[in-house]
Amino acid sequence: GENVEQHPSTLSVQEGDSAVIKCTYSDSASNYFPWYKQELGKRPQLIIDIRSNVGEKKDQRIAVTLNKTAKHFSLHITETQPEDSAVYFCAASGTGGGADGLTFGKGTHLIIQP
Amino acid sequence: DAMVIQNPRYQVTQFGKPVTLSCSQTLNHNVMYWYQQKSSQAPKLLFHYYDKDFNNEADTPDNFQSRRPNTSFCFLDIRSPGLGDAAMYLCATSRNSQGQGEQYFGPGTRLTVT
Repeated sequence: GENVEQHPSTLSVQEGDSAVIKCTYSDSASNYFPWYKQELGKRPQLIIDIRSNVGEKKDQRIAVTLNKTAKHFSLHITETQPEDSAVYFCAASGTGGGADGLTFGKGTHLIIQP
Repeated sequence: DAMVIQNPRYQVTQFGKPVTLSCSQTLNHNVMYWYQQKSSQAPKLLFHYYDKDFNNEADTPDNFQSRRPNTSFCFLDIRSPGLGDAAMYLCATSRNSQGQGEQYFGPGTRLTVT
């Protein structure tokens, strides 16, 4: 099955700086890569996703890049703000000939220092 | 406005006493998923339904069962809860199969086993 590795486990940045979180996946058939933000005690919220036919996607301060050959994808947050503090999960999903659930990375606790 | 609804939000059960968690959706999505999220860990897929087709993850314990009587509802049954089953249980839905659709998460049910 799919295996998703995520680094770092904790990331502390100064407010206004950029944050980068990296993930690798093992199954070359995976073709959908979402990123979720989860605040304490709340549900995961989709912040951005990318499909395998696209190399980069941007939404305001958030961008995701995908390198299919290397099987890694990254989340970039620019101009970080205190409200960006949360746990971020990357995930991967494949075709599998039917509906597939998500395999999540272990998460990155992002801390924005004021 | 609620799209994926989970009841109850908090559930306390005794060791070995069967418990059922409920999920409903107003999105008319084909696929419904159950994830288990233990404290400080990533969500882990237990199983999912594509319409009435049930898909069990290989490492989901037999203690966990699921029912989907119609498009809108899905239930998670834990036959004999152990202390290790204490977790947040997240229901999610997606419109498409083959992992192509965004997954919408419910608020979760936090299960405590005493």
